[in-house]
Amino acid sequence: SAVISQKPSRDICQRGTSLTIQCQVDSQVTMMFWYRQQPGQSLTLIATANQGSEATYESGFVIDKFPISRPNLTFSTLTVSNMSPEDSSIYLCSVHRIETGELFFGEGSRLTVL
Amino acid sequence: LAKTTQPISMDSYEGQEVNITCSHNNIATNDYITWYQQFPSQGPRFIIQGYKTKVTNEVASLFIPADRKSSTLSLPRVSLSDTAVYYCLVGDINSGGYQKVTFGTGTKLQVIP
Repeated sequence: SAVISQKPSRDICQRGTSLTIQCQVDSQVTMMFWYRQQPGQSLTLIATANQGSEATYESGFVIDKFPISRPNLTFSTLTVSNMSPEDSSIYLCSVHRIETGELFFGEGSRLTVL
Repeated sequence: LAKTTQPISMDSYEGQEVNITCSHNNIATNDYITWYQQFPSQGPRFIIQGYKTKVTNEVASLFIPADRKSSTLSLPRVSLSDTAVYYCLVGDINSGGYQKVTFGTGTKLQVIP
């Protein structure tokens, strides 16, 4: 299994500011994924973060709004930029265990934008 | 990627067996079926995975018919702690593309005392 730690677990932010969410994994992984889960909704993939290359964003998500860093094989950050109340969501970091296809998730970072 | 369809919600009394069915009519030959459980304020957690027939672990059973166009997650003797959202995911776990599976709506299971 993989243990994933996210920081912060929750935050309340003002409109127009930016927040960076950190994701730390206890083992080296090739791909890390960032999901968004809006209140009462399912999970939506934002982007795939590969070490040593730019993140790959899904339709509807852009780098200017959600810049991602992946400096090494155990760490990634997601920044939510120029936040608005519509960005209020839970943001989840995930890794993929290639051998089994299993996805491991962090506890999530609950973001509230006022 | 195969799209999945599940009931939005289900209720069950404690101690009963719960069966949640997922439809995936467009499943591809190399696709596996995986179920996840999500409690409030937590990330989803892997429950069980299968390709065909029946798979059983300490938590659940997964039944997959021969045509693989659907699957059923079976939770034996549910308790209040099984109240959660259950997601059915379909994808090719060996291609490197499995991680881009689409999470469907999930099934919100409410266990009643």
